[in-house]
Amino acid sequence: SAVISQKPSRDICQRGTSLTIQCQVDSQVTMMFWYRQQPGQSLTLIATANQGSEATYESGFVIDKFPISRPNLTFSTLTVSNMSPEDSSIYLCSVERWAGPGETQYFGPGTRLLVL
Amino acid sequence: GQQLNQSPQSMFIQEGEDVSMNCTSSSIFNTWLWYKQDPGEGPVLLIALYKAGELTSNGRLTAQFGITRKDSFLNISASIPSDVGIYFCAGQNTGNQFYFGTGTSLTVIP
Repeated sequence: SAVISQKPSRDICQRGTSLTIQCQVDSQVTMMFWYRQQPGQSLTLIATANQGSEATYESGFVIDKFPISRPNLTFSTLTVSNMSPEDSSIYLCSVERWAGPGETQYFGPGTRLLVL
Repeated sequence: GQQLNQSPQSMFIQEGEDVSMNCTSSSIFNTWLWYKQDPGEGPVLLIALYKAGELTSNGRLTAQFGITRKDSFLNISASIPSDVGIYFCAGQNTGNQFYFGTGTSLTVIP
């Protein structure tokens, strides 16, 4: 398994401001992922963060809005820039681990963001 | 991105009843995962399946990897109040990308 922590656990922000979310993993991983979960919805992949290279963004998500850093193999940050109420969501980081027969994905506890 | 069809969307059951939910896809998957998410928390992995036809149990939970590799099932036996939450399936395709189901909200009435 993997032990993943996120900071902050929740925040209330004013529109137009930015928030940086941190994700720390208990051991080195190659790939880290950032997801958004809007209220009552499933998980939507924002981007994949690989150490030493630029993040790969999914359709509908851009680097200017969601800049990501991956300075080492245990840490990543996601910034939600120029926030609007539509950005109110749970933001989750995750990692993949090889579980023997195949891969498994583990999630952090999430960051609940409310934008006023 | 692709989302998996998960049903039912919600369930209201009496404590002690068994629960069944499923996840279907139009594409073949190599891996199926089942998660439970409590309010305000991240999804927690329950069961991982890696082979078509595989049947795996975790306590009162049993999940199966469909033989067509396009579906998976999760059963919970003798439900208890702490089973309340949202259950998500996830599938990994041949391109190694994970896709998530739409979720099943489970309410257990004591």
